[in-house]
Amino acid sequence: AQSVTQLGSHVSVSEGALVLLRCNYSSSVPPYLFWYVQYPNQGLQLLLKYTTGATLVKGINGFEAEFKKSETSFHLTKPSAHMSDAAEYFCAVSGSGGYQKVTFGTGTKLQVIP
Amino acid sequence: KAGVTQTPRYLIKTRGQQVTLSCSPISGHRSVSWYQQTPGQGLQFLFEYFSETQRNKGNFPGRFSGRQFSNSRSEMNVSTLELGDSALYLCASSLEVGAREKLFFGSGTQLSVL
Repeated sequence: AQSVTQLGSHVSVSEGALVLLRCNYSSSVPPYLFWYVQYPNQGLQLLLKYTTGATLVKGINGFEAEFKKSETSFHLTKPSAHMSDAAEYFCAVSGSGGYQKVTFGTGTKLQVIP
Repeated sequence: KAGVTQTPRYLIKTRGQQVTLSCSPISGHRSVSWYQQTPGQGLQFLFEYFSETQRNKGNFPGRFSGRQFSNSRSEMNVSTLELGDSALYLCASSLEVGAREKLFFGSGTQLSVL
């Protein structure tokens, strides 16, 4: 079974500051890891994903995440926050292979302060 | 290319009633997943369909059911509605079933049970 824990349901950063959203996972098999973003009144869209290979994954809108197996973490970062980054962010995990469902975390709402 | 379309956008029902939600995936996508989203709970996996067969099921009572048609369109049904069923129901489609597939989400159906 797989699960994710997102630390902090709300995070506030100043415009231009570093964005760090934390995600820790649990998986009994090698995981696939994802970050999705949800803007108000919209569905989710994929920011980035880790399946295999390079552990530093770059996504859209300047976001990146690093898979750290020893820490079971997949934190999302962006060097400089923009007002348009204000949204809810979801970390998700899936087991590799077969018909594996995607399990989402409870989400972190990012507020960007001008 | 049209995105994932969910209808209706909003629904208001009373306890005990039943409801049917519809999802049209992106053209060519054969897998459809359903999620329930509530504040503080994140996204809870309901079920996934591929080629008209349910491939995965979450931990929801039997009142929640779904199906997929030959054109990949999917419906989910909730019978004997309870107040706790009030939520945003999200549908996601992907090209194939599989853990590494990118999910494309619709904007959801907001269900309110009174």
